[in-house]
Amino acid sequence: QQQVKQSPQSLIVQKGGISIINCAYENTAFDYFPWYQQFPGKGPALLIAIRPDVSEKKEGRFTISFNKSAKQFSLHIMDSQPGDSATYFCAAARSGAGSYQLTFGKGTKLSVIP
Amino acid sequence: DAGVTQSPTHLIKTRGQQVTLRCSPKSGHDTVSWYQQALGQGPQFIFQYYEEEERQRGNFPDRFSGHQFPNYSSELNVNALLLGDSALYLCASSMGPNTGELFFGEGSRLTVL
Repeated sequence: QQQVKQSPQSLIVQKGGISIINCAYENTAFDYFPWYQQFPGKGPALLIAIRPDVSEKKEGRFTISFNKSAKQFSLHIMDSQPGDSATYFCAAARSGAGSYQLTFGKGTKLSVIP
Repeated sequence: DAGVTQSPTHLIKTRGQQVTLRCSPKSGHDTVSWYQQALGQGPQFIFQYYEEEERQRGNFPDRFSGHQFPNYSSELNVNALLLGDSALYLCASSMGPNTGELFFGEGSRLTVL
């Protein structure tokens, strides 16, 4: 059972454009939603995260939009750069269980072309 | 400040063998989680260790076991290897078990032949 569905699988964006990656979750107990960036040969690195009490969070060129009623959240990368080319993973977790177990989406491979 | 370090970076085993992977957490971190990342997939949670105890476990068989040492470093052991165990094994550390802010290492790439 895939609890976090991510789309698209791959994305090509022109330099300076906006990259948008979407995720949907099923478990309403999830209350922590991070996005990770992974370059080839490297481990995932935390980009930005949001909790359900806000609908949007922005850090630099990266913005998370969150829709609790639709159980969806998305990552927007403004002014996309070739250096942003990487695989992006959304994830979800439930706090309050004494530990965090992240459930990841399958990833989106982003290519930003000059 | 050293981040999360894992060893070995690559290894090849045959079916039925056993493997041990090692992880040193980021300085100041006391909690270690292990994830399995199959090719083209997102990481899957194996288990988390805190205070030398397994705190939570994902949907993995008992062939997967772990240990945390007093210095917070950790080992992942996999017995009776199957072809399907071929994957990148990621270690992530955090300051305590109750935070989602994980710092991942670069992983150990296991190939089972």
